[in-house]
Amino acid sequence: DVLMTQTPVSLPVSLGGQVSISCRSSQSLVHSDGNTYLHWYLQKPGQSPQLLIYRVSNRFSGVPDRFSGSGSGTDFTLKISRVEPEDLGVYYCLQSTHFPWTFGGGTKLELK
Amino acid sequence: QVKLLQSGAALVKPGASVKMSCKASGYTFTDYWVSWVKQSHGKSLEWIGEIYPNSGATNFNEKFKGKATLTVDKSTSTAYMELSRLTSEDSAIYYCTREGGSSDFDYWGQGVMVTVSS
Repeated sequence: DVLMTQTPVSLPVSLGGQVSISCRSSQSLVHSDGNTYLHWYLQKPGQSPQLLIYRVSNRFSGVPDRFSGSGSGTDFTLKISRVEPEDLGVYYCLQSTHFPWTFGGGTKLELK
Repeated sequence: QVKLLQSGAALVKPGASVKMSCKASGYTFTDYWVSWVKQSHGKSLEWIGEIYPNSGATNFNEKFKGKATLTVDKSTSTAYMELSRLTSEDSAIYYCTREGGSSDFDYWGQGVMVTVSS
């Protein structure tokens, strides 16, 4: 199985600040069709995860442009600028290139 | 708008089975795969498997083969997951999700909490 390693595990932030979350995979996430199926989710307390970014860098419908994704191969980053209170929660990356699809362990974004 | 409405929480005894539902609305049910995801208390997420409602085709995480059975009822746009031979390790929240065009999980149900206890 593809191991997805997220760092850091915990990320203290000040409102209005900028943060980056890393997600590294144990093998390349480039599919044979040429696409890279790496996605980012936010799970707010007591809620279901919600899709933020799909295929590395595409924002899902309604996701503000404060969220951006980048990366390639095995190394990916989610950047959040001008952090707002509703951004707090646990962030997960997901790869759906190789079966079984696997999630990262999560990064908890919390206030300093 | 797309909605996935899951059944309520379940308290089940060890060794028993539980079947949960996920009713889809706001889109053509047979056009999208439905995946199921497990979240153990305070932990990360695990992909269980997926089903394509149009054909009933399934793919599973090897870890959950023999544990989970996925079915659909096209007439009611409802997906089901049955978990068998339950142990305390199966106590978790289970989500159904719709798979978008990029094999992402673009919409999620509210989750079903399953507690296995005697």
